[in-house]
Amino acid sequence: AQKVTQAQTEISVVEKEDVTLDCVYETRDTTYYLFWYKQPPSGELVFLIRRNSFDEQNEISGRYSWNFQKSTSSFNFTITASQVVDSAVYFCALSEAGGTSYGKLTFGQGTILTVHP
Amino acid sequence: GAVVSQHPSWVICKSGTSVKIECRSLDFQATTMFWYRQFPKQSLMLMATSNEGSKATYEQGVEKDKFLINHASLTLSTLTVTSAHPEDSSFYICSARAYSGGARDTQYFGPGTRLTVL
Repeated sequence: AQKVTQAQTEISVVEKEDVTLDCVYETRDTTYYLFWYKQPPSGELVFLIRRNSFDEQNEISGRYSWNFQKSTSSFNFTITASQVVDSAVYFCALSEAGGTSYGKLTFGQGTILTVHP
Repeated sequence: GAVVSQHPSWVICKSGTSVKIECRSLDFQATTMFWYRQFPKQSLMLMATSNEGSKATYEQGVEKDKFLINHASLTLSTLTVTSAHPEDSSFYICSARAYSGGARDTQYFGPGTRLTVL
């Protein structure tokens, strides 16, 4: 069975601070995808990134960066120089790339990030 | 690209009535759509997988006769909450999975529908 753990329930930072959201996953599959989604107060989940299990390269997109380490089954998300608009719930998710549960997302519990001005 | 719409965005209904929620992929075709339910301050719970042209696959514990799903085309899936009761009040979110291109296998989510049953 797949499992995604986001140990940080809530994080509070002051604007311009860097913040890292942790994500640890469990799966028996050798091929899978990892995702991060942002859910602002409006409720709509916004896709941020997808990472294939074969691609361990870290990725940077503006102030966002992701660190994927298969050795520790982690896919952490860092926001550099946080802004108030980054305040949201962030979900890490995992899906199989094949098999009977192909495409189903297993979500972590989410991390509530609050950025204070 | 990859826009998913949901309608209505919110609905209030009386207990015992049925409510239909539409999920549309606006700029891509989706052979598979998913329906989730989210309670306040909780994660998303997958209810069912909707495949175009075939019956939906429900997760364990989800009542098939309560939550009717129809996926009539490659861009539209509907969820009907039949004989709604207050305990069905929740935030319902759909997603559509892209099956081609660089975003293959990525799920894009609709804005959600907040259902309140009085």
